[in-house]
Amino acid sequence: DVKVTQSSRYLVKRTGEKVFLECVQDMDHENMFWYRQDPGLGLRLIYFSYDVKMKEKGDIPEGYSVSREKKERFSLILESASTNQTSMYLCASRTGHPPYEQYFGPGTRLTVT
Amino acid sequence: DQQVKQNSPSLSVQEGRISILNCDYTNSMFDYFLWYKKYPAEGPTFLISISSIKDKNEDGRFTVFLNKSAKHLSLHIVPSQPGDSAVYFCAAEPRGSTLGRLYFGRGTQLTVWP
Repeated sequence: DVKVTQSSRYLVKRTGEKVFLECVQDMDHENMFWYRQDPGLGLRLIYFSYDVKMKEKGDIPEGYSVSREKKERFSLILESASTNQTSMYLCASRTGHPPYEQYFGPGTRLTVT
Repeated sequence: DQQVKQNSPSLSVQEGRISILNCDYTNSMFDYFLWYKKYPAEGPTFLISISSIKDKNEDGRFTVFLNKSAKHLSLHIVPSQPGDSAVYFCAAEPRGSTLGRLYFGRGTQLTVWP
């Protein structure tokens, strides 16, 4: 069974803090993704990575950065948290060959006050 | 601009009846389509997929239909059960993509009532 884990289920941070969200997958997947989910807006892609140290911007990268130093780990960084970054953050991974479905972690509910 | 659209934000169906969730796409390069289900406070889970070389794929109570000419797909759940109440996301992947990126719709909240 594919397992994608995220470091925290719930997180509360203050405006201006630097925030690290960690994601680990145990299936040797090449591709990893960070999304945020907001009511009425669905899943929006922030960043993704197709290999170690490789990253691509998604649709809403502003205010975020990522790091992938090891194949199994993909970190999302909020350089200076703001209240509009309060959201559910979801990490996903998939292999580079069929089947193509992405496997999601349980999510981190981040509140920025 | 949204390349995958789910125009119904919500759907309410009685237990035992059929649920039909719809999805439209605009990019003719999409050739692999997936449906995910999401419960509150959990990550989405993969439900069923279909390749563009097919027009139907079935897995138990779930069937996905693809109409390429209309750029439309639908998910049928028969019979619907209260445990099916969740948000359903439609997603699509472009042909030849090696980056693995999926394009998601905004989701449809399905409520199945007894």
